[in-house]
Amino acid sequence: KAGVTQTPRYLIKTRGQQVTLSCSPISGHRSVSWYQQTPGQGLQFLFEYFSETQRNKGNFPGRFSGRQFSNSRSEMNVSTLELGDSALYLCASSETGYDTEAFFGQGTRLTVV
Amino acid sequence: DQQVKQNSPSLSVQEGRISILNCDYTNSMFDYFLWYKKYPAEGPTFLISISSIKDKNEDGRFTVFLNKSAKHLSLHIVPSQPGDSAVYFCAARRQGAQKLVFGQGTRLTINP
Repeated sequence: KAGVTQTPRYLIKTRGQQVTLSCSPISGHRSVSWYQQTPGQGLQFLFEYFSETQRNKGNFPGRFSGRQFSNSRSEMNVSTLELGDSALYLCASSETGYDTEAFFGQGTRLTVV
Repeated sequence: DQQVKQNSPSLSVQEGRISILNCDYTNSMFDYFLWYKKYPAEGPTFLISISSIKDKNEDGRFTVFLNKSAKHLSLHIVPSQPGDSAVYFCAARRQGAQKLVFGQGTRLTINP
């Protein structure tokens, strides 16, 4: 069974630009969660999608948004990038979102210059 | 407000000895706890979990202990191996919630 796939692995963007990151969950998994990892804040929950609906959202500004498609693939978008958005963005998939474990992808390393 | 805390940023252990990683939490609504291991440039990998109705869960060399009254959990690795060198994250989840709340991580180094 293929794992969680995130693309691209690395991105460099300029302040003010926008970026879209993609996550393909494990086949059969309908829940996709996104996390931001920074050295100062650790792993912080961004949002969770299930069956194309956002069920839960973390404490991030509206510049961070996401969506999920009918095949469970998910994208997250960050608009008007700031230097502080530089981070490792991780997505995790599980069957229902209430499972005993979530499986993480390798992440997308975003650098904003 | 850091609801899950790993107070030791790093830990160094001799190969073959026991590694003990600690985690404290403040939210009594958490009912499920997980440990993840992370290598550089990779996503976290699930290690072991424990429900709040238990006080111990074992899986091979890994054992997690939960002390609900102290709001404390620990991960024991016995014996420690060089491949265990990684960053370990403790995470917690409230009943009925999808969101995982993570600690800051502890970097474990196993010395030969």
